[in-house]
Amino acid sequence: GDSVTQMEGPVTLSEEAFLTINCTYTATGYPSLFWYVQYPGEGLQLLLKATKADDKGSNKGFEATYRKETTSFHLEKGSVQVSDSAVYFCALSDRGNTGFQKLVFGTGTRLLVSP
Amino acid sequence: NAGVTQTPKFQVLKTGQSMTLQCAQDMNHEYMSWYRQDPGMGLRLIHYSVGAGITDQGEVPNGYNVSRSTTEDFPLRLLSAAPSQTSVYFCASSLRPYEDSPLHFGNGTRLTVT
Repeated sequence: GDSVTQMEGPVTLSEEAFLTINCTYTATGYPSLFWYVQYPGEGLQLLLKATKADDKGSNKGFEATYRKETTSFHLEKGSVQVSDSAVYFCALSDRGNTGFQKLVFGTGTRLLVSP
Repeated sequence: NAGVTQTPKFQVLKTGQSMTLQCAQDMNHEYMSWYRQDPGMGLRLIHYSVGAGITDQGEVPNGYNVSRSTTEDFPLRLLSAAPSQTSVYFCASSLRPYEDSPLHFGNGTRLTVT
């Protein structure tokens, strides 16, 4: 079945450092790809998404490009802030034979940003 | 707007007990779903619903029942709790059941089964 693999954390950075969180996927067909973020004590919320190859999703300074040739969707940010400390989940949409969205999530990567 | 509301926030059960995790949304969303979050495994889909009266199984449905009698509510029932059901449970909804409609998550219910 479809699956998502993320780099293990925690990722520990100083404020203003460059961030990359790796995500690769295995899927039949051409899924949409997502990054969700979970702040402490909260549910997940959508950060960005891309629906086809070479699409770039972006939001709040974060970016990720849908790379079909490498089956990857790495998350990047040029300058992280303490407020970016959270758990980041990569996910793909497994439509199955119903067409309904059923997200397949990676294990999550915890980001810790220190002042 | 309250968004997606889950109750309770925490629950401890003994093996064999039953309980219902509540989920309500006030956004008139068609699609509602339940995920469980376990360490090292990410989130896994338990059940989902694309409208009142319509439910279907996800990846890990065994041991759980759901029903959708109204658009707003989507309770998750554990009929006979087992330690393997210790997890954090998230309810999520979206306006439409398709991937162009982002999921909105509740804050989760942490369940411990002893």
